[in-house]
Amino acid sequence: LAKTTQPISMDSYEGQEVNITCSHNNIATNDYITWYQQFPSQGPRFIIQGYKTKVTNEVASLFIPADRKSSTLSLPRVSLSDTAVYYCLVGDPNNMGRRALTFGSGTRLQVQP
Amino acid sequence: DSGVTQTPKHLITATGQRVTLRCSPRSGDLSVYWYQQSLDQGLQFLIQYYNGEERAKGNILERFSAQQFPDLHSELNLSSLELGDSALYFCASSVARGGTGEETQYFGPGTRLLVL
Repeated sequence: LAKTTQPISMDSYEGQEVNITCSHNNIATNDYITWYQQFPSQGPRFIIQGYKTKVTNEVASLFIPADRKSSTLSLPRVSLSDTAVYYCLVGDPNNMGRRALTFGSGTRLQVQP
Repeated sequence: DSGVTQTPKHLITATGQRVTLRCSPRSGDLSVYWYQQSLDQGLQFLIQYYNGEERAKGNILERFSAQQFPDLHSELNLSSLELGDSALYFCASSVARGGTGEETQYFGPGTRLLVL
C-alpha cells in the first residue's frame, strides 16, 4: 500500500498557529486529500478536504502544492480542546487495482496552556 | 453524534472464538467502511462495501469477513480470534461510491474488542 508520512507528534501553546504536513508521494490523479481529527476512544471526525491549492473552512485551512505530493493542515490559534490525533487520508491506487484508503500514521498534537 | 451506530460497544471473548460486529450507516449512505485500530496505533482500513457489494479491500485477514445487507447495515465477522485481534473496530459510512476519497466519511463510536 502507498504510504503517507506525518510527524509523530507536535507540541504547541494555546493561541498559536499549528501546521501539520502529510507526505503522499503516490497520490492518484483523481484522489482527494482529507484530514480527520480523533480524540481518545472516539471515532475520527472530518476536518477538511481538498484537491489542490488552498481550502479554508471555519476550523482549518488546507494547503496543497501543485505536485500534490504533500498537504499541510493549518489550525489557527489552537486551544486546549484541539489536543488530539490528526490523520490525513488519501486513496491508494496500488492495491492491485482495487481502491483502498490509507490513513497516515497520525500526528499527536498536544496543546499546552 | 455522527448518525452511525455500532453494536456492541464492548466485547470480551476468548481466543479461538468468533464474534460479529454490527454497523448501521447514516440514513441515505450507501458505503460502509470498516477500520481496525490497535492500541496506540493508527487506523487500518479493512474493507469497504457499497450498496451491498465489496468495493475496496485493505489488509483484512482471511479470518475476517464482512457483508452489507439489503437494508445497508453491515456486519464484520471475526473468527479464530487471537490476542492480537484486540482493538477498536470502527465503522464509517458515506453517501458516495468512494475510491477517490472525495466523499466525507462519518465514523461510528466503535466497538472495543478484548480477546483473552
